[in-house]
Amino acid sequence: DTGVSQNPRHKITKRGQNVTFRCDPISEHNRLYWYRQTLGQGPEFLTYFQNEAQLEKSRLLSDRFSAERPKGSFSTLEIQRTEQGDSAMYLCASSLDSTSAETQYFGPGTRLLVL
Amino acid sequence: AQRVTQPEKLLSVFKGAPVELKCNYSYSGSPELFWYVQYSRQRLQLLLRHISRESIKGFTADLNKGETSFHLKKPFAQEEDSAMYYCALRLRNQGGKLIFGQGTELSVKP
Repeated sequence: DTGVSQNPRHKITKRGQNVTFRCDPISEHNRLYWYRQTLGQGPEFLTYFQNEAQLEKSRLLSDRFSAERPKGSFSTLEIQRTEQGDSAMYLCASSLDSTSAETQYFGPGTRLLVL
Repeated sequence: AQRVTQPEKLLSVFKGAPVELKCNYSYSGSPELFWYVQYSRQRLQLLLRHISRESIKGFTADLNKGETSFHLKKPFAQEEDSAMYYCALRLRNQGGKLIFGQGTELSVKP
């Protein structure tokens, strides 16, 4: 499978614990996005990378959230001191930067449940 | 502010009936619009993008800048069309991030 992959697919944690998610984009894609989706809502943008540089962070991304993309390949999203409100599906997408309507390809998501 | 609105959370039709899923957007720039679909237990996948002006699985969508709409249409719905449909606005000058609507669940009954 050459699509976007995410691990783990599911994560249950207790409030206050730290969690880390991984995203492996399509290999030649230089842009990588993180979105969060809660029940009954569409995905909401969190942050994105152009190669290894993190270029934008949403206000949704509190200081408990950090994302990295070392070497411009895979990316990790870490949530520290998780809260129940962090429970959501975390989606990763990648794209090849182009001048016209680039397509973002999505991974299967990581579903987080904070107890 | 940029916004995408899908007014219907659920749309239920019978097989063979026409379908129209509504999408309205708010954006001061030149819009780039997409429809994504999510079938049961599958990942979000691109269905259509306005720039291509293509028909995929019998679906079409026309960008109407005057009405700021990008409605998705299909003349004859099939049961396999049942899925969640999301309209999305791409912000080219903000790294290409997507702004999604809330989604419309399409249910096609036999």
